[in-house]
Amino acid sequence: GQNIDQPTEMTATEGAIVQINCTYQTSGFNGLFWYQQHAGEAPTFLSYNVLDGLEEKGRFSSFLSRSKGYSYLLLKELQMKDSASYLCAVLDSNYQLIWGAGTKLIIKP
Amino acid sequence: ETGVTQTPRHLVMGMTNKKSLKCEQHLGHNAMYWYKQSAKKPLELMFVYNFKEQTENNSVPSRFSPECPNSSHLFLHLHTLQPEDSALYLCASSQPGEGLLGTNEKLFFGSGTQLSVL
Repeated sequence: GQNIDQPTEMTATEGAIVQINCTYQTSGFNGLFWYQQHAGEAPTFLSYNVLDGLEEKGRFSSFLSRSKGYSYLLLKELQMKDSASYLCAVLDSNYQLIWGAGTKLIIKP
Repeated sequence: ETGVTQTPRHLVMGMTNKKSLKCEQHLGHNAMYWYKQSAKKPLELMFVYNFKEQTENNSVPSRFSPECPNSSHLFLHLHTLQPEDSALYLCASSQPGEGLLGTNEKLFFGSGTQLSVL
């Protein structure tokens, strides 16, 4: 079966750095997405990786290793507004999105 | 503001009620989706419409009935639901052929309807 694993919850301190990991086993691979979802709001697109390596976008970076079936989302200079759930999703060989259960990130002052 | 609007935001219904969820997108997209989001579980794809035609129904019980009258509007009609159907129902849209891979994989979500079935 297809599976996406990510931690259920993480806690970090304002101003610090946090890394949210995602591992996957899917039927084929056509890219990996990260979405951010604030409580009671719509998930919004953060990043897309299809090639190995690090993609940086401001305070957020996303890394992919296809050989390891692994990705992480790196958030720097954490702000209180970064408290949200972060959803990892993989596009499989049939172009179907396989979702993880999400990681709830709690930022403390 | 994602360009996808869902109403109502919250809904409480009894198991014998009939209600409908509404989704409207202002992005000019031609694909629309219904997802179910339960606490601590992955998003579950329920229905997909491409150019108003239903292209996917992921073994969803018949008590959920979708309707797509045009490419901007999507409804989910609810009838005789069960308490385990309580969840956040998310609508999303995308544009086939213009996604990151030339497909329709980048989704724009609404804020959802939080449904409680008593």
